[in-house]
Amino acid sequence: AQSVTQLDSQVPVFEEAPVELRCNYSSSVSVYLFWYVQYPNQGLQLLLKYLSGSTLVKGINGFEAEFNKSQTSFHLRKPSVHISDTAEYFCAVHTGGFKTIFGAGTRLFVKA
Amino acid sequence: GAGVSQSPRYKVAKRGQDVALRCDPISGHVSLFWYQQALGQGPEFLTYFQNEAQLDKSGLPSDRFFAERPEGSVSTLKIQRTQQEDSAVYLCASSLEIPNQPQHFGDGTRLSIL
Repeated sequence: AQSVTQLDSQVPVFEEAPVELRCNYSSSVSVYLFWYVQYPNQGLQLLLKYLSGSTLVKGINGFEAEFNKSQTSFHLRKPSVHISDTAEYFCAVHTGGFKTIFGAGTRLFVKA
Repeated sequence: GAGVSQSPRYKVAKRGQDVALRCDPISGHVSLFWYQQALGQGPEFLTYFQNEAQLDKSGLPSDRFFAERPEGSVSTLKIQRTQQEDSAVYLCASSLEIPNQPQHFGDGTRLSIL
């Protein structure tokens, strides 16, 4: 069965500092990987996706993620965060069936 | 353009009442998903429609939960005889097709059972 583990439930960071949100997955088949962001009282919004090809994926708002097949990881990074990046971030895996499996989320808190 | 619309945004019901949650997906989107999101958790898959066909309902927690999409557009999630453990945010998402298309989410319905 597929699963997604987000290793940090909360990540506090100062404004303009770099950040990495970690995601590991388990799957015995090829996967499609996603990162979504959720602001309070809103639905999820796609940040970026990995379907195939280059393992470094660039998304919106300056975020990027790297797919590492050997380590089954898909960590999200941003070189310099803003206050407005404070939100909940979800890693998700889709293996070609009907289900997308989401991690439990990482709360990014950017401090001034 | 219009995104995924869900109504109501908030619903309070007494234990034992029936509730109906509506989802209006993006026009032309074939796939429609329902998720349940408990406080502090990620979305949990409930059910999936491809047009009007419900192809996967394995995530529905009990037979009190029922979903339909009769004309392949608007969908309704119905919960009968609600229980306190049904309190959660219910998210609807749509996509052009699966498996590799990102899903577009609505803002959800926050359901509180008293």
